[in-house]
Amino acid sequence: QSALTQPASVSGSPGQSITISCTGTSSDVGSYNLVSWYQQHPGKAPKLMIYEGSERPSGVSNRFSGSKSGNTASLTISGLQAEDEAEYYCCSYGGSSTFHVVFGGGTKLTVL
Amino acid sequence: QVQLVQSGAEVKKPGASVKVSCKASGYTFTGYYLHWVRQAPGQGLETMGWINPNSGGTNYAQKFQGRVTMTRDTSISTAYMELSRLRSDDTAVYYCARDVGPELGSGLDPWGQGTLVTVTS
Repeated sequence: QSALTQPASVSGSPGQSITISCTGTSSDVGSYNLVSWYQQHPGKAPKLMIYEGSERPSGVSNRFSGSKSGNTASLTISGLQAEDEAEYYCCSYGGSSTFHVVFGGGTKLTVL
Repeated sequence: QVQLVQSGAEVKKPGASVKVSCKASGYTFTGYYLHWVRQAPGQGLETMGWINPNSGGTNYAQKFQGRVTMTRDTSISTAYMELSRLRSDDTAVYYCARDVGPELGSGLDPWGQGTLVTVTS
């Protein structure tokens, strides 16, 4: 069982927007602005899409955005494209109970 | 460019140990934490812990304590992850990933290409 809870799957049509949630606790997601999001295509290494809650690395499309409310972080992808179909993982610093990062179980995004 | 290059695939017998290397280039090796993350076939990402390449300090996930050792050689900008007493359920792709900092857990980028470790009798 993963430390952070994500929906197993989400789907959307090209051009639409989708949001993936990531629920933790007041000890991890709720306490730190240290949530990151990763995109993983089959057979590939994960790719950082959002760090420190809402920051985008250089080269990542501005269609990807991150936010947080309480113990739940969210990744929103606007203007869905076929290439966005992938597995998405959230990650948070686990705080003083673990002193390492914890991951969500992953969400499979299907572009219809 | 910032890059992490890992050692090649390994096949091990149950009870054996495996040591995976992660060579960094394109940045100051001692300036950023390095995390180790594994992914079993068809499963999600699982953190194993991290190493501070500057001090050599480590933190291991509870699940792996007693079986994992993370080390580094600053002279060749390389980190190592050794997992002992291997079991069949340790079969997975093992990744190293740099923390973007400045805080631990800010985000992991880049990732190594992954090292497949297969445990089979």
